[in-house]
Amino acid sequence: GAGVSQSPSNKVTEKGKDVELRCDPISGHTALYWYRQSLGQGLEFLIYFQGNSAPDKSGLPSDRFSAERTGGSVSTLTIQRTQQEDSAVYLCASSLEAGGSTDTQYFGPGTRLTVL
Amino acid sequence: AQSVTQLGSHVSVSEGALVLLRCNYSSSVPPYLFWYVQYPNQGLQLLLKYTTGATLVKGINGFEAEFKKSETSFHLTKPSAHMSDAAEYFCAVSAPTGRRALTFGSGTRLQVQP
Repeated sequence: GAGVSQSPSNKVTEKGKDVELRCDPISGHTALYWYRQSLGQGLEFLIYFQGNSAPDKSGLPSDRFSAERTGGSVSTLTIQRTQQEDSAVYLCASSLEAGGSTDTQYFGPGTRLTVL
Repeated sequence: AQSVTQLGSHVSVSEGALVLLRCNYSSSVPPYLFWYVQYPNQGLQLLLKYTTGATLVKGINGFEAEFKKSETSFHLTKPSAHMSDAAEYFCAVSAPTGRRALTFGSGTRLQVQP
């Protein structure tokens, strides 16, 4: 597809379960970002990938959160032992290259995570 | 460190009226500035951005914003609101070097009355 895609669009899970959220960036985009959008905290940065490496993980809220990117393309955000406060919309964005005046982040539709 | 303040969590205008959404930022270096729009159950769409050069930036859907360094502001305007403009608008900043992530304001929900 032409844009960033994310799956699933909705995920309902029970407290304590692990979840995996997937992001397919725009083809050829080397930079990939994960953000979280919640009522209480607004839009927060989680992690940034350049290629397959993550030079900035500063936004991950706890060690229950991890992410990987393979082949410079698809990324997976994993949340272990989910808690109710993890309920949010998780947004993925990609850009052609990080930095510079031409860098624009394009966002996917998000995954709405509900932890019961 | 960077931060963004959007004044007014909700703004209501009449169709055809001027839209003005306010954004002020704090940054230790001249930042890049962005406005994104989010329609219900959708991701964020870029409206416009300022990086360098001309301080008045024109974007999609008739929106524009002016970077005013002395006021640390990047307010979003549209001369005449349309019903389809009803959405949530986010102002964001990023550093031109170093950290690449966007720092967002808390958002302003725009309501357009017929």
